[in-house]
Amino acid sequence: GEDVEQSLFLSVREGDSSVINCTYTDSSSTYLYWYKQEPGAGLQLLTYIFSNMDMKQDQRLTVLLNKKDKHLSLRIADTQTGDSAIYFCAESNNAGNMLTFGGGTRLMVKP
Amino acid sequence: DAGVIQSPRHEVTEMGQEVTLRCKPISGHNSLFWYRQTMMRGLELLIYFNNNVPIDDSGMPEDRFSAKMPNASFSTLKIQPSEPRDSAVYFCASSSPPDKHGEAFFGQGTRLTVV
Repeated sequence: GEDVEQSLFLSVREGDSSVINCTYTDSSSTYLYWYKQEPGAGLQLLTYIFSNMDMKQDQRLTVLLNKKDKHLSLRIADTQTGDSAIYFCAESNNAGNMLTFGGGTRLMVKP
Repeated sequence: DAGVIQSPRHEVTEMGQEVTLRCKPISGHNSLFWYRQTMMRGLELLIYFNNNVPIDDSGMPEDRFSAKMPNASFSTLKIQPSEPRDSAVYFCASSSPPDKHGEAFFGQGTRLTVV
C-alpha cells in the first residue's frame, strides 16, 4: 500500500535554511506535492514536482526528488517567522486523482 | 471562484446527536475528498468521490459515518450517533482532472467537538 512518512517537528532560527524531508513508497506516483497548513486553516498547495524531474526551484523554495530512494525534500531559504506552519508532503496515485498525505512536519521558526 | 466552501466552521454537539457536515466543491472539479485531522492520527482520508460516485470509502471509521454526493456541487458527511472520539477537524477537498496535475484544494475545515 501507499505510505508517506515525515519527521514530526523541525525548529530553525529566522534567516536560516529549513529542510523538510519525506519518504514515500509508491514508485508509480506521477506527481509529488508539498502543502502548507497555517493555524486554523486548510491545507494550501505550496509546490509540486513531476516524477520525471529531480529538482524544482520556486523563489525561496527548492524541491529535490530522489526517485531511486523515494525521497522528497523541501528546502526553504532565508526562513521567516511567517513560514511557521505544518508542512505536508503528498503523492498521487496512478490515476493522479487521489493524494496520500504524510503526517506533516511542524516547522517552528525562532526569531 | 470562492474555493471549496464548508459549513459549519465550528460545531459543538452532545454525544449521541446526529451531525451533518457540508461541502461545496470548486465548480468543474470532478473529485471530492473528505479528510479528518486529529493530533493523534494526523490527516486521514475518509472517503473520496469521482464524478459524484464513491470510489474508496475504506477510510470511513465505522458505520456511524456516511457520506453522500447527490450532485457535482454538494456533498455531506454525516455522523450518527456522534461520539466524543469523533472530535476533530474535518476537511473537504476537491481536485481537477488528472491531466491538470491533480492539485487538491482544501476548504477551511469544520471543527467538530462532541461533548
